[in-house]
Amino acid sequence: NAGVTQTPKFRILKIGQSMTLQCTQDMNHNYMYWYRQDPGMGLKLIYYSVGAGITDKGEVPNGYNVSRSTTEDFPLRLELAAPSQTSVYFCASSTRPGAKETQYFGPGTRLLVL
Amino acid sequence: GIQVEQSPPDLILQEGANSTLRCNFSDSVNNLQWFHQNPWGQLINLFYIPSGTKQNGRLSATTVATERYSLLYISSSQTTDSGVYFCAVDNPTSGTYKYIFGTGTRLKVLA
Repeated sequence: NAGVTQTPKFRILKIGQSMTLQCTQDMNHNYMYWYRQDPGMGLKLIYYSVGAGITDKGEVPNGYNVSRSTTEDFPLRLELAAPSQTSVYFCASSTRPGAKETQYFGPGTRLLVL
Repeated sequence: GIQVEQSPPDLILQEGANSTLRCNFSDSVNNLQWFHQNPWGQLINLFYIPSGTKQNGRLSATTVATERYSLLYISSSQTTDSGVYFCAVDNPTSGTYKYIFGTGTRLKVLA
């Protein structure tokens, strides 16, 4: 049981390039989330998904896209990378929210846009 | 949208000391969680506590939803408690499960 895994761990992009951040969970969780964390700040929700085929915007979705074709995978796509997207990106998953909701986080992807 | 404020922003303790971290929120909430981010960046869920009191070892948390605050208590602190503590909330206005995070309390425990 690996939990939530993210790849890559670190990436440098040039302005205007695109990339996909991968996220996989093996806990059969319905809910998955993408957050970004800027230095010294809390996390901000980019997108979330309540199940395969269903996604919705979070607090800061501009410049990103997601898809959820399977329960396990929730990739985050950056189109036309900008310096403002330099951040640490965390993927998380949780059981169907309720009295015992717990979010499990991946180790993060550190992205630098130059 | 809902505002989440945490205090104090920074805290330095000697090993063995106790501490209380506070999370204030500006509107009613559906869900509230506390997280610990260790010095290596890993995030761990500590409590799901939209109301009431929970305890887990040396940690406990209390949320008074009617007064819009939550407290995280750390007793007999250890150096491994160092890191940043975040609370996160959601409410019907921001969107259920669209968690809003506070800016955190940075804790350093000295040996």
